[in-house]
Amino acid sequence: RKEVEQDPGPFNVPEGATVAFNCTYSNSASQSFFWYRQDCRKEPKLLMSVYSSGNEDGRFTAQLNRASQYISLLIRDSKLSDSATYLCVVGFRVWNYQLIWGAGTKLIIKP
Amino acid sequence: DAGITQSPRHKVTETGTPVTLRCHQTENHRYMYWYRQDPGHGLRLIHYSYGVKDTDKGEVSDGYSVSRSKTEDFLLTLESATSSQTSVYFCAISEGPQGSGTEAFFGQGTRLTVV
Repeated sequence: RKEVEQDPGPFNVPEGATVAFNCTYSNSASQSFFWYRQDCRKEPKLLMSVYSSGNEDGRFTAQLNRASQYISLLIRDSKLSDSATYLCVVGFRVWNYQLIWGAGTKLIIKP
Repeated sequence: DAGITQSPRHKVTETGTPVTLRCHQTENHRYMYWYRQDPGHGLRLIHYSYGVKDTDKGEVSDGYSVSRSKTEDFLLTLESATSSQTSVYFCAISEGPQGSGTEAFFGQGTRLTVV
């Protein structure tokens, strides 16, 4: 089982729709959680951190469920520019800090 | 955008040759990382540095070495390139250790093909 699992997609969604991704993680000691966005053939960029109480940034909402060990990302009123791969990232500390990256979920917004 | 550049951006090399990739930052961040990205896998850490001349291995360090003689430069060397090292390589920087909640900033990536 992968430490961080994501549905690879692609999710094909019409412009203006709401789309949600989940990401599951296996390490119950995980302490930090992120969503990164990666455009085709570009570098990853931080979209948002995920906090225990959930957090929102404009059209984007992130939720954390520690009991079930998953995080989610909701995108409302999707735009063509939201087309990208969304990477789930989980951090934890054993003897040092570590980050585990999901393989990503590809989102395609269609006009 | 964070001041981080990678060179070269693209490289084709032959099996068995040494290859060095360079990462240069202008942000004075303490931590620097080398990742590789392959289809179907998340980013995988090769090596990282937590200061000048302070480096440590990551998840997939076999066949790679690194050096950091200055804060701003972090070099990744493939001693003898193999086809399995064909990949996209990303350098990243952060103020604090990744996994602690600190944001990571990435370079544009280097596409390496070993033939």
